[in-house]
Amino acid sequence: RKEVEQDPGPFNVPEGATVAFNCTYSNSASQSFFWYRQDCRKEPKLLMSVYSSGNEDGRFTAQLNRASQYISLLIRDSKLSDSATYLCVVSRAGNNNDMRFGAGTRLTVKP
Amino acid sequence: DAGITQSPRYKITETGRQVTLMCHQTWSHSYMFWYRQDLGHGLRLIYYSAAADITDKGEVPDGYVVSRSKTENFPLTLESATRSQTSVYFCASSESRTSGYNEQFFGPGTRLTVL
Repeated sequence: RKEVEQDPGPFNVPEGATVAFNCTYSNSASQSFFWYRQDCRKEPKLLMSVYSSGNEDGRFTAQLNRASQYISLLIRDSKLSDSATYLCVVSRAGNNNDMRFGAGTRLTVKP
Repeated sequence: DAGITQSPRYKITETGRQVTLMCHQTWSHSYMFWYRQDLGHGLRLIYYSAAADITDKGEVPDGYVVSRSKTENFPLTLESATRSQTSVYFCASSESRTSGYNEQFFGPGTRLTVL
């Protein structure tokens, strides 16, 4: 079983839609959680960290459920520019520099 | 403001040849990382380095060698390339923090094809 699992999608949504991505991780001792964004044939870039209490950044909301070992990302009012692959990232227990990446969920926002 | 750069950006080589991928960062970040990205697997950590002359294995280190004689450089060598090492290789760097998250900044990647 992979340490970090994501629904690969693709998710095809119209502009203005709300879309949610889920991610599960296997190591209950993991401490740090992130969502990265990767555009086609580009490098990944940090979208947002995920905190235990949940956090919001504009149209993006991230949630963490430690009991279920589950992370989510909600995008409201989708824009064409949100089209990308979203990577769920989890640190290994005791080592915030050893990250495990999910394979990514691809999102396409259409006019 | 170069940030983090990788060279070459594209490389085609043959099975059995030695290949070195270069990574250079201008931020004086303590940590540097090498990942490979393959369809269906996402990014997988090959090696990372906490400082000059300190390196550690990641998830998939077999077949790779790294060194870090200077803080700003972190070359990755495939000693005898195999077809299974065809991939996109990303270098990344991050600051050293005693707590909290360490955002990793990625280079543009090197697309390596082993024939």
